Amino acid sequence: ILNVEQSPQSLHVQEGDSTNFTCSFPSSNFYALHWYRWETAKSPEALFVMTLNGDEKKKGRISATLNTKEGYSYLYIKGSQPEDSATYLCALDSGGSNYKLTFGKGTLLTVNP
Amino acid sequence: DARVTQTPRDKVTEMGQEVTMRCQPILGHNTVFWYRQTMMQGLELLAYFRNRAPLDDSGMPKDRFSAEMPDATLATLKIQPSEPRDSAVYFCASGLTGDTEAFFGQGTRLTVV
Repeated sequence: ILNVEQSPQSLHVQEGDSTNFTCSFPSSNFYALHWYRWETAKSPEALFVMTLNGDEKKKGRISATLNTKEGYSYLYIKGSQPEDSATYLCALDSGGSNYKLTFGKGTLLTVNP
Repeated sequence: DARVTQTPRDKVTEMGQEVTMRCQPILGHNTVFWYRQTMMQGLELLAYFRNRAPLDDSGMPKDRFSAEMPDATLATLKIQPSEPRDSAVYFCASGLTGDTEAFFGQGTRLTVV
């Protein structure tokens, strides 16, 4: 069983704050690292897929970095807005050509206006 | 607008009854995942298929759960007999390779009474 750990479990911030959270994974099983955004009553939607050590991806105010050697990825949100409130999931693809996604339990972000 | 379609969206059934959940993956996607959302485990991988072949169903209780892909446009997850502890939201997702995102269906909310 692969352990994909996310921290913190939940986070409350004020509108305008910048925030970040962590995804840790076993570096020996790495093929790709995915980040998903999951709003309440909806289904998860992909933010980023990263494959290379040192990868940095950015979409608007959200960005992510990847360190495959030490087995972690950070997700950053700059200037949080209430609409950023969601659960942020990371998933490790360990399967290579077999593409198997194992998810962490997520970080629940609440942005207060 | 390509999307993963799951049916039914909601299902209430009595303990002991058979439940079948269906998923239509995005056309052309060769990998299909079944996940169960639980409070304790987050998104728990039950089974997944590549090119219709089951690759890993170790996350699934074998005595009552079964997953199949009778053709490339349909994946099914069956529970027989259902139990109250099976109550959860079941998600199907499809994708191509680990360095590309997976797309999720809207989920089937199962309630076993």
